[in-house]
Amino acid sequence: RKEVEQDPGPFNVPEGATVAFNCTYSNSASQSFFWYRQDCRKEPKLLMSVYSSGNEDGRFTAQLNRASQYISLLIRDSKLSDSATYLCVGVPMNRDDKIIFGKGTRLHILP
Amino acid sequence: ETGVTQSPTHLIKTRGQQVTLRCSSQSGHNTVSWYQQALGQGPQFIFQYYREEENGRGNFPPRFSGLQFPNYSSELNVNALELDDSALYLCASSLGPGGSVNNEQFFGPGTRLTVL
Repeated sequence: RKEVEQDPGPFNVPEGATVAFNCTYSNSASQSFFWYRQDCRKEPKLLMSVYSSGNEDGRFTAQLNRASQYISLLIRDSKLSDSATYLCVGVPMNRDDKIIFGKGTRLHILP
Repeated sequence: ETGVTQSPTHLIKTRGQQVTLRCSSQSGHNTVSWYQQALGQGPQFIFQYYREEENGRGNFPPRFSGLQFPNYSSELNVNALELDDSALYLCASSLGPGGSVNNEQFFGPGTRLTVL
């Protein structure tokens, strides 16, 4: 099993719809999780941290389920500008462990 | 902008050559991580430097090496370049190593390396 798995998509979603995608992880040593968005040929940009209790930032909601080892991202009222690749990453508490990114999920918002 | 800078932005090398990529971290950040991102893939962790010491390494051969300076800027060196080394090389700086929601990584714009 890969350490961090994401559905590569693409998810083609009409503007205004709600879309959700998950990221599963196998390394229980992963302590912190983040969602990044990456536009084509650009660097990843931090979208939001993922807290154990779940957190919301405007139209975006992130959840962490440690028992089932997955994190999720929900985007409400999607905008054309949300079209991007969304990467999840697990950061270990142990400083010597690897930081693991998923391969990303591509999202296309359709007008 | 994140305040993380990388140079050069693009580079073309031939097989067998050596390359040095540079990264300046965001002010106040003492940790730099390097990643390789091939087309259509997520960033692959190469290694991390914390206070001038290597602090965690991914599955990359020893010809990938690095350095961090007292001002926390960093270099990535790749020897004996191979065609498969062609990729976007990203560096990211953070407040510190380890897993904490306060240790978000902020990426530079990357260096696109092409090996012919």
